[in-house]
Amino acid sequence: DAGVIQSPRHEVTEMGQEVTLRCKPISGHDYLFWYRQTMMRGLELLIYFNNNVPIDDSGMPEDRFSAKMPNASFSTLKIQPSEPRDSAVYFCASSLRGTGYGTQYFGPGTRLLVL
Amino acid sequence: DAKTTQPTSMDCAEGRAANLPCNHSTISGNEYVYWYRQIHSQGPQYIIHGLKNNETNEMASLIITEDRKSSTLILPHATLRDTAVYYCIVRLYNQGGKLIFGQGTELSVKP
Repeated sequence: DAGVIQSPRHEVTEMGQEVTLRCKPISGHDYLFWYRQTMMRGLELLIYFNNNVPIDDSGMPEDRFSAKMPNASFSTLKIQPSEPRDSAVYFCASSLRGTGYGTQYFGPGTRLLVL
Repeated sequence: DAKTTQPTSMDCAEGRAANLPCNHSTISGNEYVYWYRQIHSQGPQYIIHGLKNNETNEMASLIITEDRKSSTLILPHATLRDTAVYYCIVRLYNQGGKLIFGQGTELSVKP
């Protein structure tokens, strides 16, 4: 089975540019999570979806961040405009209700650097 | 979710058992103990979870005390590839939403 797939793996951009991160969850999983990891704040949840519907976006830092899940096999996290403080590793994870929401499978992450 | 306390760092000799402790004295009766690890530059990886009974899988064993106030993750024969940060998380089984990652224990397996 392919795990959670994220692209790009690395992204370097300049302040003010739009950044789009992509995620393909494990086939059949009904929950999808977006996390961000920095040295200062550790791992923090940004938003999660159930059956393609956003359930909790309280972790989204501000209006510059938006996430969509147009179908069960694809999600995007967009930052527009990007700022240097958005530099972090962004992880996507998925889980299946039947195995408990605590069993989440993470992708390899996207390392974002905003100059 | 109940708060967990873990040592900041630990060392273990390659081939020996690594025993990683976690205190969760405020755990409630229906909360599970989950363990994840994060190898450098990778995403967190699920290891194991349990409620009351000890659990074992191909990666590790989880020992939960009878009063459920603490637990120990055991890697029976640690290898250099087990060097990682290990996170102990307490949560309800079917609680939707986030995993709350603390600081974890940085395990260094040494040759």
